[in-house]
Amino acid sequence: ETGVTQTPRHLVMGMTNKKSLKCEQHLGHNAMYWYKQSAKKPLELMFVYNFKEQTENNSVPSRFSPECPNSSHLFLHLHTLQPEDSALYLCASSQTRTGGAGELFFGEGSRLTVL
Amino acid sequence: AQSVTQPDIHITVSEGASLELRCNYSYGATPYLFWYVQSPGQGLQLLLKYFSGDTLVQGIKGFEAEFKRSQSSFNLRKPSVHWSDAAEYFCAVGEPGTYKYIFGTGTRLKVLA
Repeated sequence: ETGVTQTPRHLVMGMTNKKSLKCEQHLGHNAMYWYKQSAKKPLELMFVYNFKEQTENNSVPSRFSPECPNSSHLFLHLHTLQPEDSALYLCASSQTRTGGAGELFFGEGSRLTVL
Repeated sequence: AQSVTQPDIHITVSEGASLELRCNYSYGATPYLFWYVQSPGQGLQLLLKYFSGDTLVQGIKGFEAEFKRSQSSFNLRKPSVHWSDAAEYFCAVGEPGTYKYIFGTGTRLKVLA
C-alpha cells in the first residue's frame, strides 16, 4: 500500500459507544495529524504528533483521545460522542523540513455518524 | 492570528474556459502556501505548494498559482478547464516553524459541458 490509509471509511455509532479510527502512513513521514471536516466549516486541526510526541492539541474535547504508538500509526479513540461530532475525520502526514512542517498528505477520511 | 479567505463559495465555468480561484491570507510574515483539491467522498490532494523562491508555482493537472506578497494573495489558475476538474478547492496557509496549517472554507467548482 502507498500513501495514507484510514479505516474504517464509514462508522455509525451511538452516543454511548466506544470506537476507534485508525490511520497508517506508508510515506516515511515523521508527523501525523487529525483534522475534522464539517459541512460549511473550514478544516479544523485537532491533534498533531511529531516523532510520536503530541505537539498540538487544539482544545479538543476529552471525548476524543488520540494515540500515536509510532511515526507510522495514529489512532483516534472515540467515546460518549455527541451528534454534532458527526463529520469527516481526516488523517494526514508530513515530513519535517528546514523551517517546519512540509506539505500535508491526506488519507481518504473516515465518515463518522453519531446517532 | 492567521486566517485564510476564499471569497467565492461556488464558481461555475464552461469546459475549456480559463479559471481563477482566489485566496487571501492574513499573516505577519511570509507563510507557506498550498492549494488542495477534494473530490466527493475523498481526502484532499495537493495541487501545488509555495515555500519560498519563484512566486509563480506550477502544480499538477495543469494548475499554477502566483504568490503576491503585496496583496497577500495566492490565486490558483488554469488556462483551460476540463470536466474532471469539478471538485472543491482549498487554499491553506502554513506557519513556518510549526505544524499549524489553516485552511480556507473552500470553493466548489462546477464545470459545464
